[in-house]
Formats: sequence, C-alpha cells, structure tokens
Amino acid sequence: GAVVSQHPSWVICKSGTSVKIECRSLDFQATTMFWYRQFPKQSLMLMATSNEGSKATYEQGVEKDKFLINHASLTLSTLTVTSAHPEDSSFYICSARSAAQETQYFGPGTRLLVL
Amino acid sequence: AQKVTQAQTEISVVEKEDVTLDCVYETRDTTYYLFWYKQPPSGELVFLIRRNSFDEQNEISGRYSWNFQKSTSSFNFTITASQVVDSAVYFCALSDSWGKLQFGAGTQVVVTP
Repeated sequence: GAVVSQHPSWVICKSGTSVKIECRSLDFQATTMFWYRQFPKQSLMLMATSNEGSKATYEQGVEKDKFLINHASLTLSTLTVTSAHPEDSSFYICSARSAAQETQYFGPGTRLLVL
Repeated sequence: AQKVTQAQTEISVVEKEDVTLDCVYETRDTTYYLFWYKQPPSGELVFLIRRNSFDEQNEISGRYSWNFQKSTSSFNFTITASQVVDSAVYFCALSDSWGKLQFGAGTQVVVTP
C-alpha cells in the first residue's frame, strides 16, 4: 500500500516552455500533497503544500506564479513549471499523505532538464 | 524553527561492517515526528521508519536499528552487517503536526565489497 506515482519521470524541454508534472496517490486518498525540489548532491527542499480543494501554500522564496500547483482531487496533484529556464532544471519530488497518516509517501521523482 | 543536522557527509565501509548515521534535531514543538528515508541512485525516496515524540522506544528491523534519545535530541540509525545494496543517501527528517518535513543534509553511505 501507500504507492505514489509521478509522471513523467524525465522531461527535457526548451527554455520558455511550460512543463506539467503529475503526482498521483494510487491506493489511498491524499488529503495533503507536498512538492519538493532537489538539486544534485543536496537535500530536499519543500516548495509547497497543497490540500485537496484549497490553494497551495508556498514556502518562502518559491514563486507561486512560476510553480503552479493544483490539487483538484484526492488522488491527483499537478505542478506546472511555467516559462521554464535552465535554472529550473532539477529533480522534483512529490509526496502524499492521508488524513490518517503521519507518514508521507514519496513519488519516484521527475527529472527536469531545461535547455 | 525546526532544524535537522546530519554532520556526516559521507561514510565508507567495507561489506559486513556496521555503520551508524547520526541525526540531531531542533524543535520547539512538543509533538513532532522523526523519520529516516533512503535514497538510492535511482532517486526514489524509500521510507524506513517514523517515530513520534512520545515514543522513545528503540526499534530494530532486520539489520536496521534506531536509537531515539530526547535528552540529546538525537535519532541515530545503525545498519548492521552492511551490504553493497545499502549504498545510498540516507536522510533524517523532522515534521511538525502539520506534516511539513524538514530534511537533514543527508549522509552518503558507500559500501564496498
């Protein structure tokens, strides 16, 4: 149980384009989903927290107009990197948890490379 | 503010040796949760353990064991008889009751045959 998927696993795009990453909880209802970013050989940094049906809460320093998060259902959250630039290249990881869980379960991550 | 410190950047051991990963945390909350995650080269985070602040009982799971000491704000992780498959980055993390995770910097474990 507690499986979280992400799609796509890899994406390469040109600078200026927008990229959408999906995060799905496959066997539980995720009332809360989290989006993290990880640069090479660094730790995970929380970008934002989203609760189903509500606007996402962004961490300080994260541009909400740049990283659009939608959590429209209990099993799906999306992160859209708008007008991506090379500095947005990173490993993006989502996690999800239900109201009954204290544990977050992580997706396999999405590697974004912006050329 | 919450903080997690993993002072060991990298630990290299030979197979079958034991390895202990240190984790020290700071929080003002009375209710909090501590976690260890493993991140192999593939990148996917693998959940290993969760401890809440009211449960100081140590735990053993196979070759893994954890020592939680509130008096020293530490939550250390030991791998007994290490194997090559244990090579990965291990993260200690702390969350508040809202679930926001604060990760440590991670410790790279390299196990050589």
